Amino acid sequence: NAGVMQNPRHLVRRRGQEARLRCSPMKGHSHVYWYRQLPEEGLKFMVYLQKENIIDESGMPKERFSAEFPKEGPSILRIQQVVRGDSAAYFCASSPSDRNTNSPLHFGNGTRLTVT
Amino acid sequence: GIQVEQSPPDLILQEGANSTLRCNFSDSVNNLQWFHQNPWGQLINLFYIPSGTKQNGRLSATTVATERYSLLYISSSQTTDSGVYFCAGLIGGYNKLIFGAGTRLAVHP
Repeated sequence: NAGVMQNPRHLVRRRGQEARLRCSPMKGHSHVYWYRQLPEEGLKFMVYLQKENIIDESGMPKERFSAEFPKEGPSILRIQQVVRGDSAAYFCASSPSDRNTNSPLHFGNGTRLTVT
Repeated sequence: GIQVEQSPPDLILQEGANSTLRCNFSDSVNNLQWFHQNPWGQLINLFYIPSGTKQNGRLSATTVATERYSLLYISSSQTTDSGVYFCAGLIGGYNKLIFGAGTRLAVHP
């Protein structure tokens, strides 16, 4: 059973370009969470999505960032017009449901975005 | 809001030593997980431990939910234990993990 798959592992973008980060949840999981880790810091919640729905985007910057989880295909975190401050590791996690049941979150290996 | 405090922030050990890492929550938390982030940046699930005690090899964890803390024990530490250890708790009705700032562990041979 494959875990949470993220790609690419590393992404380099110049200032002003767009970055697209992909996340395929574990098989059977329909809930996806995106987290950002700035250098030397802990992980900060960004957004929580269910298939075709954004449930909670309270951690997303108001501008340039968007996320989707379509009916088919992976979840996408999109950053437009990247700036150097967007350089970070972006982690995706998945869970089978949105209830607070006895199920841990499973994380992918992250995408390391570097903005030059 | 919910605060997750981890201590100590940094820890240096000689190989073979034991250590205890602590995680305190400012409010009630429904569930708790411990992670190890290795030097390559990968997040490894160590424990899912909403309450009680679990053991996995040289590692064990205890959560006392009523007193809002969790402990991670590392015995006979090895250089491969180096990295950052995070605890994280769920708040509200969603699986919205709140992470602590981590404990940075360096184990020297």
